[in-house]
Amino acid sequence: DVKVTQSSRYLVKRTGEKVFLECVQDMDHENMFWYRQDPGLGLRLIYFSYDVKMKEKGDIPEGYSVSREKKERFSLILESASTNQTSMYLCASSPGGGAPSNGYTFGSGTRLTVV
Amino acid sequence: KQEVTQIPAALSVPEGENLVLNCSFTDSAIYNLQWFRQDPGKGLTSLLLIQSSQREQTSGRLNASLDKSSGRSTLYIAASQPGDSATYLCAVRVRGNTGKLIFGQGTTLQVKP
Repeated sequence: DVKVTQSSRYLVKRTGEKVFLECVQDMDHENMFWYRQDPGLGLRLIYFSYDVKMKEKGDIPEGYSVSREKKERFSLILESASTNQTSMYLCASSPGGGAPSNGYTFGSGTRLTVV
Repeated sequence: KQEVTQIPAALSVPEGENLVLNCSFTDSAIYNLQWFRQDPGKGLTSLLLIQSSQREQTSGRLNASLDKSSGRSTLYIAASQPGDSATYLCAVRVRGNTGKLIFGQGTTLQVKP
């Protein structure tokens, strides 16, 4: 069964901490994405990557960075966590544009609370 | 800029009823459209994927249609069950290799026994 795995289901971090959210996919997908989901605001794209070591800003990149050193792994980094980054974080992957089945697969999410 | 709208925001129906969820998008230049289900506090589960060249897709009691020219998609759920209670999200994939998804706000469905 193909999967996108997020390393933590729940996280509680303190303001100012550096936080790493990890995501691994086993489908050999080219594209990987990080979204956050907040009530009333829906899903918003933070960053995405279409190849190893490549990254593109999404709609709300401020306060975040990403790393993609290997094709299967895409990390989201909160350089200095703040309370307004308390949210549900969702990782997803998809094949490149030319693939015959190019839907998204999502992970189960990480609920991050910053106190 | 592509915008995706889902109506209604919430829906409550008795068990056994057939129902339709609506999704509209402003730019018809899409790569595909995907319907997802999300249970409270969980990730997204893909239900159906419709390519831009297709008109509909079916999986079990679910049928999704796509009318690109009018910027509309519908998700039809037959013989609804309490286990169908969840939030349903529609998303369009914009053209381009990077394949960004633009999501609607979702429809929260409650099926009462």
